[in-house]
Amino acid sequence: NAGVTQTPKFRILKIGQSMTLQCAQDMNHNYMYWYRQDPGMGLKLIYYSVGAGITDKGEVPNGYNVSRSTTEDFPLRLELAAPSQTSVYFCASSYASLGTEAFFGQGTRLTVV
Amino acid sequence: RKEVEQDPGPFNVPEGATVAFNCTYSNSASQSFFWYRQDCRKEPKLLMSVYSSGNEDGRFTAQLNRASQYISLLIRDSKLSDSATYLCVVNWGMNYGGSQGNLIFGKGTKLSVKP
Repeated sequence: NAGVTQTPKFRILKIGQSMTLQCAQDMNHNYMYWYRQDPGMGLKLIYYSVGAGITDKGEVPNGYNVSRSTTEDFPLRLELAAPSQTSVYFCASSYASLGTEAFFGQGTRLTVV
Repeated sequence: RKEVEQDPGPFNVPEGATVAFNCTYSNSASQSFFWYRQDCRKEPKLLMSVYSSGNEDGRFTAQLNRASQYISLLIRDSKLSDSATYLCVVNWGMNYGGSQGNLIFGKGTKLSVKP
């Protein structure tokens, strides 16, 4: 059972570089999310999507972009990496929004130097 | 302001102890409530949903007090394997911040169960 798969698991970027964090789910979930988790902090929502072709900003969207061309995939793009984007990134999906379980990927540990 | 507040701990307890975690949330229109468990360097996983009437799953009991905007988690007969960080999670609802799917996470309470 794959569930939510994130790649890569680890990455080191230099300031100003770009990268895409990949996220795929095989549960046919409509809702997908990107969170970041800084040490000792709660998860902060970056972007979310309620279905293919529909995305919206979360609490901390600056410096990121997303797309949702298929139900399965929800990549997160960092255009100009900054040290403040050093964090652990989690992708999640759920069947619906209210009252249902969100399933998380294993996370991507990103360091910007 | 979106807030879900938890005591950060750590809670250091012996095996077999009973431990309680508390959580408060600021949005009275919140509609769904959860406890997630996060092991060190792992992803969060759902422990249990929290219902208005309170609910129990084995050694775990969750309570919700909407009037006080307060959620609790009680763990009885603690096991070594219960050591983790427990995240209080609230679904903010559509009419507050615009996102029906917006799960707001507390910073978590760390539990360490010792032999």
